[in-house]
Amino acid sequence: DAGITQSPRYKITETGRQVTLMCHQTWSHSYMFWYRQDLGHGLRLIYYSAAADITDKGEVPDGYVVSRSKTENFPLTLESATRSQTSVYFCASTPRGRQNTEAFFGQGTRLTVV
Amino acid sequence: QKEVEQNSGPLSVPEGAIASLNCTYSDRGSQSFFWYRQYSGKSPELIMFIYSNGDKEDGRFTAQLNKASQYVSLLIRDSQPSDSATYLCAAHNAGGTSYGKLTFGQGTILTVHP
Repeated sequence: DAGITQSPRYKITETGRQVTLMCHQTWSHSYMFWYRQDLGHGLRLIYYSAAADITDKGEVPDGYVVSRSKTENFPLTLESATRSQTSVYFCASTPRGRQNTEAFFGQGTRLTVV
Repeated sequence: QKEVEQNSGPLSVPEGAIASLNCTYSDRGSQSFFWYRQYSGKSPELIMFIYSNGDKEDGRFTAQLNKASQYVSLLIRDSQPSDSATYLCAAHNAGGTSYGKLTFGQGTILTVHP
């Protein structure tokens, strides 16, 4: 199906474990984003990517790693999960170059670190 | 200072009233602005975008942009209980090394009571 999908939808992991959240989009959008959403903080940008092999830090990148070897995929890895990384994570994508570049969001991944 | 700040909430208005949501931004490289609505447990969905100074109307919604004051607002006329949600303001950077960066505010919770 066309769109942007995240997996898994729910994940429980232990402190110190590595966990990867997947994001896949079928539109060939240039830009992709990872946000985390916590009560009172809105959506905070973790990393974004302008194209394959081009990534940049956002507001809260510490403890996270991203890669983008293919345009359609933008995985987010927590190298050593901590309880403070318990959150809802949203992936989004936008096309390049237009002023009205709406961001399309995945369904979100609810991550709990115990 | 956050790059995008929204007026503190929560905001409660009676049905039929006008709800006013405000947002300021600090990055003058931001050129496009978006208002998203997010229902509890769901992904954000776009309501409106604006990139020219002045007002833009779409049904019951009016977005206002003042680039000199770095201020964006959203007015919801004839508010309905179904408008109860979190409203997120976002700024899209179209210049320099941050081109394409999409930054959100912390969100304002709106409740419309019958």
